[in-house]
Amino acid sequence: DTAVSQTPKYLVTQMGNDKSIKCEQNLGHDTMYWYKQDSKKFLKIMFSYNNKELIINETVPNRFSPKSPDKAHLNLHINSLELGDSAVYFCASSFLAARADEQFFGPGTRLTVL
Amino acid sequence: AQSVTQLDSQVPVFEEAPVELRCNYSSSVSVYLFWYVQYPNQGLQLLLKYLSGSTLVKGINGFEAEFNKSQTSFHLRKPSVHISDTAEYFCAVRALGNTPLVFGKGTRLSVIA
Repeated sequence: DTAVSQTPKYLVTQMGNDKSIKCEQNLGHDTMYWYKQDSKKFLKIMFSYNNKELIINETVPNRFSPKSPDKAHLNLHINSLELGDSAVYFCASSFLAARADEQFFGPGTRLTVL
Repeated sequence: AQSVTQLDSQVPVFEEAPVELRCNYSSSVSVYLFWYVQYPNQGLQLLLKYLSGSTLVKGINGFEAEFNKSQTSFHLRKPSVHISDTAEYFCAVRALGNTPLVFGKGTRLSVIA
C-alpha cells in the first residue's frame, strides 16, 4: 500500500491555465506538506497543514492555494500557471507532535508549463 | 533561521570504495538533522536522523553519519558503495517546535563500476 500518493505523476499544460495536484496519505499523520523542487534539485517548503489548518506558509505567490478537506488529504491548486512554475512538487506527511517527526514523501508530480 | 550547506554538488566514486558526503548547517537554536536519499524519478526516503544522544548515527543501506556540534557538521559516510547507491542525497535540518525542514542543495553521488 502506498503511504503518500500524488496524482497526477506528470502534468503538462499551457501558460495561464489552472491546475490541481492531489495528495493523500494513509499513515494516520496529522500534518501534511507541499514542497517544490526546481530544475537544480533544490527543495523548498511551500505550505504545511496540521489537522486541516495552515501552520506554515512560506513566501509563495497567492496563485497557489492549498486545500485540506480532511487530515488525510492536502491538494494544491495553481491559478494562472507561469513558465517558472515548472518543477517537481512533492507532498509529505508526518506526526507534528512526535519527537522523531520523520516526514514521508510522495513520489512527486512533475509539472511542465509550456 | 536555519541553513544547510552541502559542500559538493557531485561526487563520483568507484564501486566498493568508501564515500563521505559533507553537510554543514547554521542555526542559533538546537536542531534535528536528517539525511534523505532520492533515487531517479522517485520521492525522498529517510536514510538516518540525529535527534540527541550518541553522535554517531546508523541508518539504512549501510550509511552512517556523525554529528559534530563544534564544527556544525553532519557528514554522511559509507565504507563501501554499490552501483545501487547512485542517487541524489539531501541533508536537512529542523529546529525544535513547529518549524519546516530546511534542505541543502543536494549531492549527486555517482558510483562507477
